[in-house]
Amino acid sequence: EVQMVESGGGLVQPGRSLRLSCTASGFTFGDYAMNWFRQAPGKGLEWVGFIRSKTYGGTTEYAASVKGRFTISRDDSKNIAYLQMNSLKTEDTAVYYCPRGRRSFDFWGQGTLVTVSS
Amino acid sequence: QSALTQPASVSGSPGQSITISCTGTSSDIGGYNYVSWYQQHPGKAPKLIIYDVSNRPSGVSNRFSGSKSGNTASLTISGLQAEDEADYYCSSYASSSTAFGGGTKLTVL
Repeated sequence: EVQMVESGGGLVQPGRSLRLSCTASGFTFGDYAMNWFRQAPGKGLEWVGFIRSKTYGGTTEYAASVKGRFTISRDDSKNIAYLQMNSLKTEDTAVYYCPRGRRSFDFWGQGTLVTVSS
Repeated sequence: QSALTQPASVSGSPGQSITISCTGTSSDIGGYNYVSWYQQHPGKAPKLIIYDVSNRPSGVSNRFSGSKSGNTASLTISGLQAEDEADYYCSSYASSSTAFGGGTKLTVL
């Protein structure tokens, strides 16, 4: 069974950092691009960024709203994708999801809540 | 990256059909046949219901169908049921990003 489990969320002060993890199982993790999306309370889904598979260079792309502050990485030996979030702002408060895929996103975890507040 | 444009809300009565539009550009929807649609119920994770414009994943009802013309994609839900009440999002592949819609709230009257 394909599963994605997001973790690492919590309450953090503005300007601080937080790292989220996405632990995958049930498929060959290294074959897939991994994405991060977020959803602020009461708002729509927002694409955050993705990391390509090593086959396609393992490179990353980001939304303008997080570029320069967020970094996506992956450890294919552990089946984990990471989202390093620096210089956090109150507007980064959201549930963060990590679905797999590039052309469509077929499996989503339940997300992890990040709250940025003083 | 670009945001795709969806109507904020649509509504329909049980048994009716509704269509949700999703408008992009030639750099996303118009340039690739990789449009997907997602259904999200309150408090739940999104669920893929259409991929590659018009394909349904295994287990998704055939009441859901997708199409594309130029820079606009559409999701049609036929035979509306109460359980279809949810938020719907469109997405399109773009070469260095992912275009995503703002979401449409479907109300079943």
